[in-house]
Amino acid sequence: AQSVTQLDSHVSVSEGTPVLLRCNYSSSYSPSLFWYVQHPNKGLQLLLKYTSAATLVKGINGFEAEFKKSETSFHLTKPSAHMSDAAEYFCVVSVSGGGADGLTFGKGTHLIIQP
Amino acid sequence: EAGVAQSPRYKIIEKRQSVAFWCNPISGHATLYWYQQILGQGPKLLIQFQNNGVVDDSQLPKDRFSAERLKGVDSTLKIQPAKLEDSAVYLCASSLPAGYEQYFGPGTRLTVT
Repeated sequence: AQSVTQLDSHVSVSEGTPVLLRCNYSSSYSPSLFWYVQHPNKGLQLLLKYTSAATLVKGINGFEAEFKKSETSFHLTKPSAHMSDAAEYFCVVSVSGGGADGLTFGKGTHLIIQP
Repeated sequence: EAGVAQSPRYKIIEKRQSVAFWCNPISGHATLYWYQQILGQGPKLLIQFQNNGVVDDSQLPKDRFSAERLKGVDSTLKIQPAKLEDSAVYLCASSLPAGYEQYFGPGTRLTVT
C-alpha cells in the first residue's frame, strides 16, 4: 500500500518570497509522484510529476520538486510566490500494478499568499 | 480539445434517496476514474475502468455505490440509498492507457440533507 503525508495543512508566505510545501511518501514499490493544484471552484491541474527519471522535476508556473529516496520526500518549491499561486496543493502517489494506477492523494496544503 | 465533462454540477438530495452522476471522458481516453473528495480532504479513488472493464473497485462501497461504463466511453456513478456522509464532490478523470496523465473534470458537488 502507498500513502503520502503532507506535513502542513496551511502555509502562509508573502508575495515574492520562496514557497516550500512538504510531502513525505510511503510505498513498497518504485512510486510515481505528483503535485496537483486546485484553485477555488476549478478542477485539479497537474503541476509536475516524477517517474524515476531526473530527481529534480520542473513543472508549470515556476514550481519544481525534488525526489529524495533516502528521506522519502518530494517537497514542492517555488523561488518567488505570486498572488495567483494561492490555492490548495496535493501531493499524490501512484503505484501501477495489474493495470491499476489510481492516485492516492494527501490531505492537501492550503497556500496563502500575503500581499 | 474538449476536457472531461460531468453533469450535473450540483445536486441536493435527502438521505435515503438515489442519485446518479454522468461523466464523458476526453475522446480516445481508454481509462476512466471516479474519485470522491470530501470537504477538507484529498480525493479518494472509488473505481477505475479500462475501456468498459473494471480494473480497481476496492474502495467502492458496493452496498450503495455502483458504476458502469457501457461501450467504453461515458460512465455513470450511482448512489442508492444516499447517506449524509456521502456529501462530497465526485470527480471524474480520464487518461490514455493507464499510466498516462489523468485529466480531471470539474466535479459534481453532492449535498445530502
